[in-house]
Amino acid sequence: GAVVSQHPSRVICKSGTSVKIECRSLDFQATTMFWYRQFPKKSLMLMATSNEGSKATYEQGVEKDKFLINHASLTLSTLTVTSAHPEDSSFYICSARGTYGAGDYEQYFGPGTRLTVT
Amino acid sequence: DAKTTQPPSMDCAEGRAANLPCNHSTISGNEYVYWYRQIHSQGPQYIIHGLKNNETNEMASLIITEDRKSSTLILPHATLRDTAVYYCIVRVGQAGTALIFGKGTTLSVSS
Repeated sequence: GAVVSQHPSRVICKSGTSVKIECRSLDFQATTMFWYRQFPKKSLMLMATSNEGSKATYEQGVEKDKFLINHASLTLSTLTVTSAHPEDSSFYICSARGTYGAGDYEQYFGPGTRLTVT
Repeated sequence: DAKTTQPPSMDCAEGRAANLPCNHSTISGNEYVYWYRQIHSQGPQYIIHGLKNNETNEMASLIITEDRKSSTLILPHATLRDTAVYYCIVRVGQAGTALIFGKGTTLSVSS
């Protein structure tokens, strides 16, 4: 149980275009979702936290107008990278936290999305 | 959340036990110790967590010192598929805050 999916798994886009990444909790309701970014050989960096039905909270240094996050339902959050540039190329990972079973508030991770901007 | 210190890398022979240490000397009384691992180009995978008692599940054992300032993750019989980056994270249990990842330990299991 507690499966989180991401789509697409990898995407290549041209500089200046926008890309949307979906994160879904498949068998539980995710009251909170988190978005991370990971550059090669580096650790995961938290980008933002989103709660269903409210605006996302962004970490310092993350441009909220560039990385648009929508968490419109308890099973879906989207991250849109607007006007993507080569420096946005990275591995984007979402994570979902919710109530799964009795008292389970753990954080479950998706498989990641590899974004390459050319 | 308290910070953790882990060795950057470790090697282990296949079939042997892998013991991964973690120091968390500033851990608070209500903070849990979590272990995740990340296999190359995949999302992190939950391994185990604990507060102060030793814990064991089908993947690993977690040994926490009595003063809770350090812990050890034990993979009893390491396989090649256990090669990954292992992250030790401390966080208040059942909290809404995100897991914050440090640099972790790269475990290389060889035959």
